[in-house]
Amino acid sequence: SQTIHQWPATLVQPVGSPLSLECTVEGTSNPNLYWYRQAAGRGLQLLFYSVGIGQISSEVPQNLSASRPQDRQFILSSKKLLLSDSGFYLCAWRGAGSTSNQPQHFGDGTRLSIL
Amino acid sequence: GDSVTQMEGPVTLSEEAFLTINCTYTATGYPSLFWYVQYPGEGLQLLLKATKADDKGSNKGFEATYRKETTSFHLEKGSVQVSDSAVYFCALSAYNQGGKLIFGQGTELSVKP
Repeated sequence: SQTIHQWPATLVQPVGSPLSLECTVEGTSNPNLYWYRQAAGRGLQLLFYSVGIGQISSEVPQNLSASRPQDRQFILSSKKLLLSDSGFYLCAWRGAGSTSNQPQHFGDGTRLSIL
Repeated sequence: GDSVTQMEGPVTLSEEAFLTINCTYTATGYPSLFWYVQYPGEGLQLLLKATKADDKGSNKGFEATYRKETTSFHLEKGSVQVSDSAVYFCALSAYNQGGKLIFGQGTELSVKP
């Protein structure tokens, strides 16, 4: 069966420091991968998605970047964190080439606090 | 563009009460519709889905019917439990959009014993 892992679960970082959040998927090949941010008490905002290695689409301009160095690995990064980067970051996957009726499956998230 | 609107929360109910969480959508074409649930401190779990008009999705006592004429996908449960306390998200996936989901703002449900 397929599983998705995110780490770390929680992270406290000072303003201006770099960031690297990692997401890996097991049990499937060439998944579509997604990064979302959920601000406190708010809905989910899609940040990036990827349909293959090295293919990244950005949904909103921001201080973050994403990379997909391997088929089932998706990394969210920043060179210098801002206070506004605080939030709950969720990674999700979906089957390759699947139609719109297939759901996304989410990891357990990383809670990022910027001090 | 495509959008999803959910009823405002928080919703507070007593155990065994009937639950309705309203969800309406705007989309071109024929989207697929989903309900996700998020328990405190966790990621989102798929609760149910419907992929075409008049489809009914159901899971764990929850139901939602895809109503094209009213562009709605309301979530219902006949008798809620304390363990149903969570945030519920309605979402749509539009055709030819790379599987991207558009979420409503979420509705927090609190069930009291």
